[in-house]
Amino acid sequence: EAGVTQFPSHSVIEKGQTVTLRCDPISGHDNLYWYRRVMGKEIKFLLHFVKESKQDESGMPNNRFLAERTGGTYSTLKVQPAELEDSGVYFCASSRSRVGGRPPYEQYFGPGTRLTVT
Amino acid sequence: QKEVEQNSGPLSVPEGAIASLNCTYSDRGSQSFFWYRQYSGKSPELIMSIYSNGDKEDGRFTAQLNKASQYVSLLIRDSQPSDSATYLCAVNQYTGTASKLTFGTGTRLQVTL
Repeated sequence: EAGVTQFPSHSVIEKGQTVTLRCDPISGHDNLYWYRRVMGKEIKFLLHFVKESKQDESGMPNNRFLAERTGGTYSTLKVQPAELEDSGVYFCASSRSRVGGRPPYEQYFGPGTRLTVT
Repeated sequence: QKEVEQNSGPLSVPEGAIASLNCTYSDRGSQSFFWYRQYSGKSPELIMSIYSNGDKEDGRFTAQLNKASQYVSLLIRDSQPSDSATYLCAVNQYTGTASKLTFGTGTRLQVTL
């Protein structure tokens, strides 16, 4: 079974440009998450999809960030326009759907996209 | 106060020894707890999950949870140089269908020969 994949692995863009990151979750995982780690800080939650529906986007920094998950399969995270503080590693994770009152299943992480804004 | 706290280390242990990694969390309503291992430049790799008080063992790893003390730990027995990595403690906070992990900053473990 293939794991979570992300593209690109690295991206270097200039301030003001647009970048789109892509995540393909593990097949059959309805839950998809985006996280970010900026230099020296802990990994922080950005948002959570269940299929194509956003369940929680409380971690999105501002309206320059737009996440989509059309058809409930892969997801994209667009940053437009990029700022210097957007630099960091963007991780995607996925998990199976909850059953009944069970706690959420484990999240499996992709390799991340390292974004550098210059 | 951070939501999830870990000592950043480095924690240095000799090969073959037991490494003990600790984590405290602030949200008393948290129900799911995870340990991830992260090698430099790589993604977090899930190594343990624990949901109820007590110990959970998997190979050389034992996770311990004490909800009353809001404390989670990870023991690594017979530590190997390949265990040298950063260990991330994560707490799952969920309401209804929404779910998210809150991470600590991680503890860097060095296993010396």
